[in-house]
Amino acid sequence: GQQVMQIPQYQHVQEGEDFTTYCNSSTTLSNIQWYKQRPGGHPVFLIQLVKSGEVKKQKRLTFQFGEAKKNSSLHITATQTTDVGTYFCAGRPSSGSARQLTFGSGTQLTVLP
Amino acid sequence: DVKVTQSSRYLVKRTGEKVFLECVQDMDHENMFWYRQDPGLGLRLIYFSYDVKMKEKGDIPEGYSVSREKKERFSLILESASTNQTSMYLCASSLFYRAGQGLNQPQHFGDGTRLSIL
Repeated sequence: GQQVMQIPQYQHVQEGEDFTTYCNSSTTLSNIQWYKQRPGGHPVFLIQLVKSGEVKKQKRLTFQFGEAKKNSSLHITATQTTDVGTYFCAGRPSSGSARQLTFGSGTQLTVLP
Repeated sequence: DVKVTQSSRYLVKRTGEKVFLECVQDMDHENMFWYRQDPGLGLRLIYFSYDVKMKEKGDIPEGYSVSREKKERFSLILESASTNQTSMYLCASSLFYRAGQGLNQPQHFGDGTRLSIL
């Protein structure tokens, strides 16, 4: 079945440093979504990317979808303590069920003040 | 705002018991999902439903069943609970995807049920 790998599993940064998490799929994706889960909370939808090579920004967050639509990244510039949480990517395979997303294992971000 | 409500935040059951986890959403969403979340493994899909009485297996359906008798309610059933089913269970709902556009609607999650099987 489809696998979505996410690295790193953990990342500790000093406040103000940048952070990047990477998502790689074993198969081509129709789209990819990103979610954030605060400690003790539930995943919350951030964004969806659909087009090959697409780049979207939300304030300090930059999301990219690879040209081959098999990988994606989330980059946070100048992290803040409010960025703490686990970031998940979730991809829909180009073939197979259109209703199902496969989630990555997540990257847990700790921001040290 | 979409509200997805899971019946219990914490639940402790014994091995062999039949366990019911309930989920209700208030936004008339067609799709509903059950995931389990374990450290280092992310969210793994157990079952999902795209309509009343309709269901599809996810990646890890063994040992679980589901029921969707009403559009707003999706139940996860552990037929005979085992210790390896100790986990955080998350319910989610979404609108039906828009065909032909390669899109999936965002999933809205409940707060989760932390289930311990002793």
